[in-house]
Amino acid sequence: DAKTTQPTSMDCAEGRAANLPCNHSTISGNEYVYWYRQIHSQGPQYIIHGLKNNETNEMASLIITEDRKSSTLILPHATLRDTAVYYCIVSSMFSGGYNKLIFGAGTRLAVHP
Amino acid sequence: GAGVSQSPRYKVAKRGQDVALRCDPISGHVSLFWYQQALGQGPEFLTYFQNEAQLDKSGLPSDRFFAERPEGSVSTLKIQRTQQEDSAVYLCASSPLARSSTDTQYFGPGTRLTVL
Repeated sequence: DAKTTQPTSMDCAEGRAANLPCNHSTISGNEYVYWYRQIHSQGPQYIIHGLKNNETNEMASLIITEDRKSSTLILPHATLRDTAVYYCIVSSMFSGGYNKLIFGAGTRLAVHP
Repeated sequence: GAGVSQSPRYKVAKRGQDVALRCDPISGHVSLFWYQQALGQGPEFLTYFQNEAQLDKSGLPSDRFFAERPEGSVSTLKIQRTQQEDSAVYLCASSPLARSSTDTQYFGPGTRLTVL
């Protein structure tokens, strides 16, 4: 079962910041928080990941609370092309040396003009 | 550069037929994953390869599902005697490094399988 809880859907106006929350209250010390998104009829696309510090890249920012029980993905200036399902995933490396992603239902973000 | 490619993109099979789905990972990627995505749901893990070794097949739903990666590059997911509940999008992902807790997985576009 997925270890995260996300809202089913969210709306955002084009050009505004989209803030997508995720609860992961049972996260363990060696688990990372990953965000992927899936645009309609495409495979999931990696966005960003973090352990405990806030992270930023060209796509988004990830804010992780100090207790690591929740996080927020921020798309600073949402565009229509950001309309997608966003998945928050917590994961750590398995003993075989690989990272198995357990997806939940995600948040369906709709960006409107 | 080229990403992960999958073929065919769409497959229609009659119940009871065997199907083979192909995945071409990014060149040089050590890790390869297969996921199954039912309509309206998130992807679910099926199996994992590290080079040619299948290290995890815990997600394969039945013994009708079989995956291989004989030369450590291209992988094939085979489903025997397809059933209607096998209808789904089958996603392949690859990542460059084994033994890294922060490996990014790169996904292909998926193969949409419809079993009639």
